[in-house]
Amino acid sequence: EVQLVESGGGLVQPGGSLRLSCAASGFTFSSYWMSWVRQAPGKGLEWVANIKQDGSEKYYVDSVKGRFTISRDNAKNSLYLQMNSLRAEDTAVYYCASSQGLGDGMDVWGQGTTVTVSS
Amino acid sequence: SYVLTQPPSVSVAPGKTARITCGGNNIGSKSVHWYQQKPGQAPVLVIYYDSDRPSGIPERFSGSNSGNTATLTISRVEAGDEADYYCQVWDSSSSYVFGTGTKVTVL
Repeated sequence: EVQLVESGGGLVQPGGSLRLSCAASGFTFSSYWMSWVRQAPGKGLEWVANIKQDGSEKYYVDSVKGRFTISRDNAKNSLYLQMNSLRAEDTAVYYCASSQGLGDGMDVWGQGTTVTVSS
Repeated sequence: SYVLTQPPSVSVAPGKTARITCGGNNIGSKSVHWYQQKPGQAPVLVIYYDSDRPSGIPERFSGSNSGNTATLTISRVEAGDEADYYCQVWDSSSSYVFGTGTKVTVL
């Protein structure tokens, strides 16, 4: 079964850090672009970052540049999002998703992990 | 930054046709993807590259894209189609952009 499973969410204070993980199974992880997409409570979808199959290209939404870092370990079939200097506005459900190419539709999604930034 | 505008809500009777628009500057020159999201669930890709359907998505879902508007059409609407729908493009600024989202209500 094709599956993405996120973990690592939780409650963190403003200015703190958190590392999200996404474990892939059932498909050739190393052949896909991977993205992080978030959804604030009651709000729409917002793309956060994506990374090329070999990790050589990474793109970020402006609001997280310099604070978040996307990475992957193809040997472990895993995607990561290191989040530093967290703000209240980063509070959201974070999804990982896969796509075959840059700019393609995201055809597999995880169930999401919740990040809450609050004092 | 590139902006995609969708109507906040669309209401449709069962068996009728729902059309959800996604407006953007010269969106016809971009490839548009559409997602369905039901409450408490992850999004599901229902249309990619303007009009292609992933396997498992009913033929009732179709898409088009021209000029400044892309459209997702749901024919013979069923109660199970009630959800939020989002359009998406990859912008030349090297970023994905999602539309504002449309809540489809089946009357």
